[in-house]
Amino acid sequence: SQQGEEDPQALSIQEGENATMNCSYKTSINNLQWYRQNSGRGLVHLILIRSNEREKHSGRLRVTLDTSKKSSSLLITASRAADTASYFCATDGRYGNKLVFGAGTILRVKS
Amino acid sequence: DTEVTQTPKHLVMGMTNKKSLKCEQHMGHRAMYWYKQKAKKPPELMFVYSYEKLSINESVPSRFSPECPNSSLLNLHLHALQPEDSALYLCASSPQDNRGTYEQYFGPGTRLTVT
Repeated sequence: SQQGEEDPQALSIQEGENATMNCSYKTSINNLQWYRQNSGRGLVHLILIRSNEREKHSGRLRVTLDTSKKSSSLLITASRAADTASYFCATDGRYGNKLVFGAGTILRVKS
Repeated sequence: DTEVTQTPKHLVMGMTNKKSLKCEQHMGHRAMYWYKQKAKKPPELMFVYSYEKLSINESVPSRFSPECPNSSLLNLHLHALQPEDSALYLCASSPQDNRGTYEQYFGPGTRLTVT
């Protein structure tokens, strides 16, 4: 079953602009992860944020987590054409190594 | 080596065929996963192996049979599949201990078409 919902479903921006994607989930979590998937290929792990953390940075990525609202956001700053991909949030829950993925956001960065 | 490899990259099989998908990792990870992903959908978990033992089966039909021969290898045996089983099959691995959840490393996937 799908726990996470993401919005927007699709996002199209110009190179150099920032992209923000949001994820909401339904049950308690230990951590939340974000993954990127280029068309028809495997997923690449971007960042993991634990339930006791509120914000985390990795390069041009900034992730926030609000456990009271059961939501997270992924901000990509100064986007590049190479950032064009699908982005998924994934939550764990009762079983630590069972991830449930959100529906995903398709990001298109135009050069 | 931080790579998960999957073979074959593409597979076309008939509904009466028997085939196998293979996955390999050499990162020393003790948890391995099979996911199924339909077009424009998120990955859906099928099976989890922890220390070479099946720990999670997400009510997957018996025409899919997983096998973990050792800590580096994961197979998915396919038999009597249906056209709706056509999808991208992803393998992943992660560290495994009692301290929590870790990031998963994914292979490039096998694109399966059932005719």
